[in-house]
Amino acid sequence: DGGITQSPKYLFRKEGQNVTLSCEQNLNHDAMYWYRQDPGQGLRLIYYSQIVNDFQKGDIAEGYSVSREKKESFPLTVTSAQKNPTAFYLCASSIGPASIEAFFGQGTRLTVV
Amino acid sequence: DAKTTQPNSMESNEEEPVHLPCNHSTISGTDYIHWYRQLPSQGPEYVIHGLTSNVNNRMASLAIAEDRKSSTLILHRATLRDAAVYYCILRDQGPNAGNNRKLIWGLGTSLAVNP
Repeated sequence: DGGITQSPKYLFRKEGQNVTLSCEQNLNHDAMYWYRQDPGQGLRLIYYSQIVNDFQKGDIAEGYSVSREKKESFPLTVTSAQKNPTAFYLCASSIGPASIEAFFGQGTRLTVV
Repeated sequence: DAKTTQPNSMESNEEEPVHLPCNHSTISGTDYIHWYRQLPSQGPEYVIHGLTSNVNNRMASLAIAEDRKSSTLILHRATLRDAAVYYCILRDQGPNAGNNRKLIWGLGTSLAVNP
């Protein structure tokens, strides 16, 4: 079945370590996005990519990095510079940046201790 | 950026219709109204969208006020699986939108469905 896969669903890391969250899609979508969600809050955009080998910062990019070497993959690295990394991370994709509908993965819950 | 206002929470009984309101008094002519929902511990799911006319799909109906300053998502018969947070989002789809096309998420309405 086509869709977006985020792995793992739960992730624990020690403070000061970098960690990479995986996001893969087989929908042949050009645009991909990373969001962060904190308890009781809406989603906030971290990074987005409109096409392979291109990405832009969203509203809260500090402490995060991404790459888009393949159309299917858009991994997010949470670096040690991110002051408050514990959150629920959501990856999404759409046919293009102007598409109406975005498709979301199931999310990765990152806990940094 | 255009903003939306939704009630924090609503409650419904199973098998009854649910009307989820959204106010967007500063909507512009090229803003589309999008609705997503998020079940507990899952990613959001697209529900419906519209510009001016009322819209129907297999999940819900969207009623848009004539002045477009408000809209209502209608679930015709609520089920327990409809318990979720419902987000009403404005998104600029105009030709000059550029980076303003991004979805801006509020807190949504948490819908509880009673058996």
